[in-house]
Amino acid sequence: GQSLEQPSEVTAVEGAIVQINCTYQTSGFYGLSWYQQHDGGAPTFLSYNALDGLEETGRFSSFLSRSDSYGYLLLQELQMKDSASYFCAVRENSGNTPLVFGKGTRLSVIA
Amino acid sequence: DGGITQSPKYLFRKEGQNVTLSCEQNLNHDAMYWYRQDPGQGLRLIYYSQIVNDFQKGDIAEGYSVSREKKESFPLTVTSAQKNPTAFYLCASSDGDRGSGANVLTFGAGSRLTVL
Repeated sequence: GQSLEQPSEVTAVEGAIVQINCTYQTSGFYGLSWYQQHDGGAPTFLSYNALDGLEETGRFSSFLSRSDSYGYLLLQELQMKDSASYFCAVRENSGNTPLVFGKGTRLSVIA
Repeated sequence: DGGITQSPKYLFRKEGQNVTLSCEQNLNHDAMYWYRQDPGQGLRLIYYSQIVNDFQKGDIAEGYSVSREKKESFPLTVTSAQKNPTAFYLCASSDGDRGSGANVLTFGAGSRLTVL
């Protein structure tokens, strides 16, 4: 079967750095993605890793280790608006096939 | 601007009724998807379509039906056979197998269905 594990909740202070981990067990692997969802809103794409290493996009970075079936999302210089749920997602097959999502990590940024 | 439009945003249904949720995209994306989200949960795949006139069941397809007669449209019908239909329904599309394109989903704003 397929499974993605990520912490259910994380709390961090404004201005700090937070790391959200994701481990996966899937039948195939064609990339790890991260999505952000604010309460009542739609998920929005943040980043994608197909190869090992770190991808940086502004205050957000994402890391992948395929040998460890592990990745993380790193958020720097946290702002109150970063309070949201963050989902990791894996594509198991090649082609235009669906993503499998984790249950999400709810990040609360406090002053 | 390109995007995905879902309607209605809120929908109330009596038990035993079928309802259809609309999803329209003007992104010229090949693939479209329907996910269901329950409170505090991740997104679970209902159905997806990679090309017009073709679609596949996802993990929780029972009690749902779809059609893909046009590239732009992928409506979802929640039938009376769905035991617990109250949820937030999200439609998404992706740009096909062009490098990372299939990993980047664009979502609509969602439709919240409540069964009374």
